[in-house]
Amino acid sequence: EAEVAQSPRYKITEKSQAVAFWCDPISGHATLYWYRQILGQGPELLVQFQDESVVDDSQLPKDRFSAERLKGVDSTLKIQPAELGDSAMYLCASSVNRGLDDEKLFFGSGTQLSVL
Amino acid sequence: AQKVTQAQTEISVVEKEDVTLDCVYETRDTTYYLFWYKQPPSGELVFLIRRNSFDEQNEISGRYSWNFQKSTSSFNFTITASQVVDSAVYFCALSEPMNTGFQKLVFGTGTRLLVSP
Repeated sequence: EAEVAQSPRYKITEKSQAVAFWCDPISGHATLYWYRQILGQGPELLVQFQDESVVDDSQLPKDRFSAERLKGVDSTLKIQPAELGDSAMYLCASSVNRGLDDEKLFFGSGTQLSVL
Repeated sequence: AQKVTQAQTEISVVEKEDVTLDCVYETRDTTYYLFWYKQPPSGELVFLIRRNSFDEQNEISGRYSWNFQKSTSSFNFTITASQVVDSAVYFCALSEPMNTGFQKLVFGTGTRLLVSP
């Protein structure tokens, strides 16, 4: 069965350093999402792409976070500089269409970030 | 704004017991969708069910069943004859429309289920 691929699985970094996460959605899925999950909480949407365009990044801390999906396929989420509060699981998800209200999201296994 | 409440932080049961996970939601929309996802220790969220706000019929899938009641804004999830493999964190989620015309999922804080042999 097709899966959403994410790497790295774990990342440990020091405060003020730059980090980057990569996501490859299921082939053919037009919509890609980045979620952040803080320990003990549910995932929260950071950014949503439809093909290569950002359709929502209202919850993305744009002073330090950036995301791109240049060719409308895989995506990179970057944090620079990382802060202690950024420690969390970063989950990527994809769906077939345009994020319609009844759509099923397929999630990757996430990148666990620890900022020291 | 939409809100999902999962009041049970952690539930522990012994194998073969039945267990119900509660979910209460808030929304002003008349059309919305509710979801349940399972998050095993491996980390990925696994889709379990999607329910339209106009469909209040209960649903059963094997040992899993869902009870949707609009009158109480609840969408509870029951596992019958629980197994060790059911141990995971379970999230309830609600669709929220965005200004862009797209939807996003609003998740509850999750309920950790521990099933012991």
